[in-house]
Amino acid sequence: KAGVTQTPRYLIKTRGQQVTLSCSPISGHRSVSWYQQTPGQGLQFLFEYFSETQRNKGNFPGRFSGRQFSNSRSEMNVSTLELGDSALYLCASTWTGNTEAFFGQGTRLTVV
Amino acid sequence: QQQVKQSPQSLIVQKGGISIINCAYENTAFDYFPWYQQFPGKGPALLIAIRPDVSEKKEGRFTISFNKSAKQFSLHIMDSQPGDSATYFCAAGSDSGGGADGLTFGKGTHLIIQP
Repeated sequence: KAGVTQTPRYLIKTRGQQVTLSCSPISGHRSVSWYQQTPGQGLQFLFEYFSETQRNKGNFPGRFSGRQFSNSRSEMNVSTLELGDSALYLCASTWTGNTEAFFGQGTRLTVV
Repeated sequence: QQQVKQSPQSLIVQKGGISIINCAYENTAFDYFPWYQQFPGKGPALLIAIRPDVSEKKEGRFTISFNKSAKQFSLHIMDSQPGDSATYFCAAGSDSGGGADGLTFGKGTHLIIQP
C-alpha cells in the first residue's frame, strides 16, 4: 500500500512569490491535514480537509490556503512568500480525524 | 494556548538501556496521544498511540504510560539500540469535536543511543 506522497520534495522561491504544494493521501483516506515544521516553532497545524471541505484551521495568516479534490488529493498554497515561511511542510492523511495520522516526507521550502 | 510540554530536549542513552521521554498536556479535551519518530530528511512516523481509557500500552520495545489525573504521558524505549537514534515527538489531539482540529505536538526530544 503506497504511503503519503508529497511533491515536490524541495523548492526554492523568492520573497513575494507564491507556491503550491501537493499531497496524495493513502488510498482510502479521506482526511488530509497540513503542518508546518520549523526548528523554532516545531510542528504546527495549518488546516485539515475532509471530503473537499476545510473543517479546521490553525493560527496562520490568510496567505496560507488549501483545497482538496474529489480524489482526496490536496494542495496548499502560500502567497506573497516571506523569509519566515521557510520550513518543512508536511501533510498527514487519515481515514478521518486525528487517529493514526500518517505523514509524508514533506516539502522543504526555502524562501530567499 | 493549548500546549504539550515535552522533556528532555535531548537525551543520551547507552545501548541496551531504557530511554524515557515525558510529556504533559493542559487540555482535558484531548483524547488521543500518539508518539512519532522522525529521522533526518524524513516525515514523522507513527510509533505508538494511546487513549485515556488505559494506563499503559506496549508494542514491542515501546511502551506508553498514561496518567490521566496528572495529565502526563511518557514513552519508554526498552533495550535501546543505535537505530533508535532519532527525534521523538509526543502529540495530543481530539476527535470528538468533529473533524481533525490538528494534533498539538511537543517540541521534540533528540535521542542518541551510544553503542
